[in-house]
Amino acid sequence: RKEVEQDPGPFNVPEGATVAFNCTYSNSASQSFFWYRQDCRKEPKLLMSVYSSGNEDGRFTAQLNRASQYISLLIRDSKLSDSATYLCVVLTPDTGRRALTFGSGTRLQVQP
Amino acid sequence: DGGITQSPKYLFRKEGQNVTLSCEQNLNHDAMYWYRQDPGQGLRLIYYSQIVNDFQKGDIAEGYSVSREKKESFPLTVTSAQKNPTAFYLCASSIRLAGNEQFFGPGTRLTVL
Repeated sequence: RKEVEQDPGPFNVPEGATVAFNCTYSNSASQSFFWYRQDCRKEPKLLMSVYSSGNEDGRFTAQLNRASQYISLLIRDSKLSDSATYLCVVLTPDTGRRALTFGSGTRLQVQP
Repeated sequence: DGGITQSPKYLFRKEGQNVTLSCEQNLNHDAMYWYRQDPGQGLRLIYYSQIVNDFQKGDIAEGYSVSREKKESFPLTVTSAQKNPTAFYLCASSIRLAGNEQFFGPGTRLTVL
């Protein structure tokens, strides 16, 4: 089982739609969680951190469910510019390395 | 303008040759990382460095080497021992080791001919 699993998509949605992605992680000791956005052939950029209480940033909402070991990202009122790959990232303590583990990403295509 | 630079953007190499990828940051970050990304896959950690003159192997270090002689610089050498080196290589840095936002450079696409 992969440490971090995501549905690769693509999710094809019309402008203005609401779309949600889930990401599951295997290690219950994972401590910190992030969503990164990666445009085609570009570097990843931090979209938002995911807190236990959930957090919202404009049209984006992130949630953490520790019991079921998944995090989610909700995008409301999708824009064409939201088209990208969304990477789920998990920090898991590992003999002091404290390494980030990246999911393979979920591709979103917002259509006019 | 603070950030991370990587050069070159595209690199072609003949089989059997070593090649060094450059990574420089002026963010005053202590920690630096090298990742490799293959099509349809997540980023995999090659090497990381917590501080100057210190570095550790990541998940896929075989066939790669690094140095960290200066805080700003963390070059990666892809040696001829790397069996499948064609990939997108990303350098990143963070204020300290993990747990914080990692800032990425624009990446180098290496193609072995």
